[in-house]
Amino acid sequence: GQNIDQPTEMTATEGAIVQISCTYQTSGFNGLFWYQQHAGEAPTFLSYNVLDGLEEKGRFSSFLSRSKGYSYLLLKELQMKDSASYLCAPSPQAGTALIFGKGTTLSVSS
Amino acid sequence: NAGVTQTPKFRILKIGQSMTLQCTQDMNHNYMYWYRQDPGMGLKLIYYSVGAGITDKGEVPNGYNVSRSTTEDFPLRLELAAPSQTSVYFCASSPSATEAFFGQGTRLTVV
Repeated sequence: GQNIDQPTEMTATEGAIVQISCTYQTSGFNGLFWYQQHAGEAPTFLSYNVLDGLEEKGRFSSFLSRSKGYSYLLLKELQMKDSASYLCAPSPQAGTALIFGKGTTLSVSS
Repeated sequence: NAGVTQTPKFRILKIGQSMTLQCTQDMNHNYMYWYRQDPGMGLKLIYYSVGAGITDKGEVPNGYNVSRSTTEDFPLRLELAAPSQTSVYFCASSPSATEAFFGQGTRLTVV
């Protein structure tokens, strides 16, 4: 089975930096996905970490520690449009499906 | 490419009615999924398929059925609609156990 834990809500101000954590326990693990979901819309892909360490992609970075079962998503220079839910999903072994955490709702204020 | 297409976008059902949510993808992906998302909650996996002719239950399969007769299509069937099935339903596909591409969702209300 899988157990995925993320904070429920976070708030921040424009221009700030926020770090959204995800801890997971899974049977079979290939890597970890982060998705962004704006209210009323479908989730969209943000990042995929296979190896330990930090991967940077513009204002967004994602970190993975396989031994600790831990990941975080780092958002820099926050903008109002970053207000959304951020979903963590450990990538399963072949033949099984992607299971998502409950998501972290981020509210960015001016 | 259209990607993942879901129909209908909105639907209101009466308790006890049946309906099929359609999902089709044009990316030749082997894996397809159905998720439901209740207000303010995360995605819950209903059913998934790793290829034509193969389907498996997810976290919340009760009250639903699926079939996968072709690579492109993965319809979700609700036989006896209940208010607890009011939700937003997302279909997704992926080439394997990798990045999933989502449809725009079907908003279902059961009254």
